[in-house]
Amino acid sequence: DTGVSQNPRHKITKRGQNVTFRCDPISEHNRLYWYRQTLGQGPEFLTYFQNEAQLEKSRLLSDRFSAERPKGSFSTLEIQRTEQGDSAMYLCASSLNFHLEQYFGPGTRLTVT
Amino acid sequence: DAKTTQPNSMESNEEEPVHLPCNHSTISGTDYIHWYRQLPSQGPEYVIHGLTSNVNNRMASLAIAEDRKSSTLILHRATLRDAAVYYCILRDTGNQFYFGTGTSLTVIP
Repeated sequence: DTGVSQNPRHKITKRGQNVTFRCDPISEHNRLYWYRQTLGQGPEFLTYFQNEAQLEKSRLLSDRFSAERPKGSFSTLEIQRTEQGDSAMYLCASSLNFHLEQYFGPGTRLTVT
Repeated sequence: DAKTTQPNSMESNEEEPVHLPCNHSTISGTDYIHWYRQLPSQGPEYVIHGLTSNVNNRMASLAIAEDRKSSTLILHRATLRDAAVYYCILRDTGNQFYFGTGTSLTVIP
C-alpha cells in the first residue's frame, strides 16, 4: 500500500466554477477525514466519514461544499460556485480506528482566480 | 475547541536535542495529546501521542507534565530532515483535530 493519495494535486479554476477532488485512503482504513489549510495556518477539520457514513461536519463546511464516500472506499469533495476564499490546500486523511493516528495525503492545492 | 499554545518558531543545531513545548491549560481528563509535523509541501505526519505517561517511539519522546497542562516533544538528535512545522493537538472524544498554527523548527547545519 502506498498510503493516502489525492487527485488532482493542483487545480486552478475561475470563480463560480465547480470543482471536485478525490481521495483514496489506505485500503483497510474505515475512517476518512477532510481538512482545509490556508497559508501559515494549521489544517482545519471539515468533515469525517466512518465507512460510507458522513458522521460529522464542521461549521466551516458551507452549503456549497459536499463530500461523499459512496462505497466506503474513496471519497470526493465537491465545491460548487467557487469563491476566491476557497483557495487553499485540501487535505485528506484516513485512520484504522478512532484512537489511532491519521495518515495524510499530499493534498490538493486549489487556486480560484 | 480544545486549545494549545506553542511558540511560533524555534531553532536547533544539527545533532543536538530539541525540546518543543506546548501549553494546554484547559485539557480535560479524556483528551489525548497528539503531535504531528508537516514538512514543506507535504501533508502532516504523525509523530507521537500520549494521555498521562511519558511516551517514546522511534521518532521522538513525549514528556507530559504531572498536571497535564503542558507537554514537551523531544527530538533526541535533530537532523536537517526534522525541519518542519510541529503541531501539538488535543484530541477529545470527538473526531475533530484542532491543529493551531504550530512551531516552525529550523535546524542549523
